[in-house]
Amino acid sequence: DTGVSQDPRHKITKRGQNVTFRCDPISEHNRLYWYRQTLGQGPEFLTYFQNEAQLEKSRLLSDRFSAERPKGSFSTLEIQRTEQGDSAMYLCASSLRTGGLGGELFFGEGSRLTVL
Amino acid sequence: SQELEQSPQSLIVQEGKNLTINCTSSKTLYGLYWYKQKYGEGLIFLMMLQKGGEEKSHEKITAKLDEKKQQSSLHITASQPSHAGIYLCGADKETQGAQKLVFGQGTRLTINP
Repeated sequence: DTGVSQDPRHKITKRGQNVTFRCDPISEHNRLYWYRQTLGQGPEFLTYFQNEAQLEKSRLLSDRFSAERPKGSFSTLEIQRTEQGDSAMYLCASSLRTGGLGGELFFGEGSRLTVL
Repeated sequence: SQELEQSPQSLIVQEGKNLTINCTSSKTLYGLYWYKQKYGEGLIFLMMLQKGGEEKSHEKITAKLDEKKQQSSLHITASQPSHAGIYLCGADKETQGAQKLVFGQGTRLTINP
């Protein structure tokens, strides 16, 4: 399968614990995005990378959240000291940006986080 | 900030019927994306529209971006049970195609056999 891959698919944790999600984008895609989706809502943009550079972080991304894409390939999203409000589906997406426009944006299956 | 409104919020149609879902923006749309989502799963890319008046089709699904670029429609012809799911429109917040999408709340489509 050459699509966007996310791991783990499901994570249940206790409040206060740290969690980390991994995303493997479609190979050769230079753009990688993280979105968050809560039940009954559309996804919300969190942050994105072009290659290894993190270009923007939404104000939704508190200091407890950190994302990296160290070699411009896979990315990790870490949430420290989780809170119940962090419970959501975390979606990763990737695209190939050429020139001034982004290409088709493909999403992974998501990582569902439940904080008890 | 830009908001996207989808209509209807839910739709139940008989198998074989045609249907249309609309996505309306309060601001000019610089890039409009349509996705399908099954409950609890990721988003399946359907189509991306970037130019006013653009129309794209894939199998029995057609999407259009109006000339003024503030509304898009998704039309399904001869609906099938496999079309059931939640349809989401997402719009680029910026002109440079940064793909920091703002999404509508979704349209839940049910197909009755």
